[in-house]
Amino acid sequence: DTAVSQTPKYLVTQMGNDKSIKCEQNLGHDTMYWYKQDSKKFLKIMFSYNNKELIINETVPNRFSPKSPDKAHLNLHINSLELGDSAVYFCASSQGVIAGAPDTQYFGPGTRLTVL
Amino acid sequence: AQKVTQAQTEISVVEKEDVTLDCVYETRDTTYYLFWYKQPPSGELVFLIRRNSFDEQNEISGRYSWNFQKSTSSFNFTITASQVVDSAVYFCALSERNTGTASKLTFGTGTRLQVTL
Repeated sequence: DTAVSQTPKYLVTQMGNDKSIKCEQNLGHDTMYWYKQDSKKFLKIMFSYNNKELIINETVPNRFSPKSPDKAHLNLHINSLELGDSAVYFCASSQGVIAGAPDTQYFGPGTRLTVL
Repeated sequence: AQKVTQAQTEISVVEKEDVTLDCVYETRDTTYYLFWYKQPPSGELVFLIRRNSFDEQNEISGRYSWNFQKSTSSFNFTITASQVVDSAVYFCALSERNTGTASKLTFGTGTRLQVTL
């Protein structure tokens, strides 16, 4: 029973292509996130959605567009891929914020994107 | 702005040694939340612990223990009698209290722990 799943696990593509990464959670959480982990292992938040509504949108190029068809899914579409987009992308989910307290975020297995 | 510092980039120990991973944080909030995650070589991020700023009790879970000290803004993680399976990158993270519906984790740069036989 995978709690947060991502597909694909690996993605190798050419510069200039458009690609999508899918994320699904079966934890019944309302909030989902995308984080980027660079080659130095640094993790930084990109986006967060709560019940299909965009809540957090960090300084990310507009080539990155998240889409949430329902609260159990949060996909990440990337247009015109660049070499610098190579990274591991993690999806996470949580109950969001409860009485001001942030709930624990649970992460998917990651998608390693390599742009050639 | 919040910040998390993990000054130890890499630590190597021999199995059965005890090891402490340091985490120092900065925040202007009086209420905040601290987390530790483990990233084994397989790559996934595994949640280990969450601590509220108003609860300074230390916690022990098997071979793992956490020492939270508000006075020094530190939330250190100790593994007792380390094992090879503990080899991983460990991340400390901070989240502040907020009134929205989503919160962001600010991560440290991670400490790579290598446990050898």
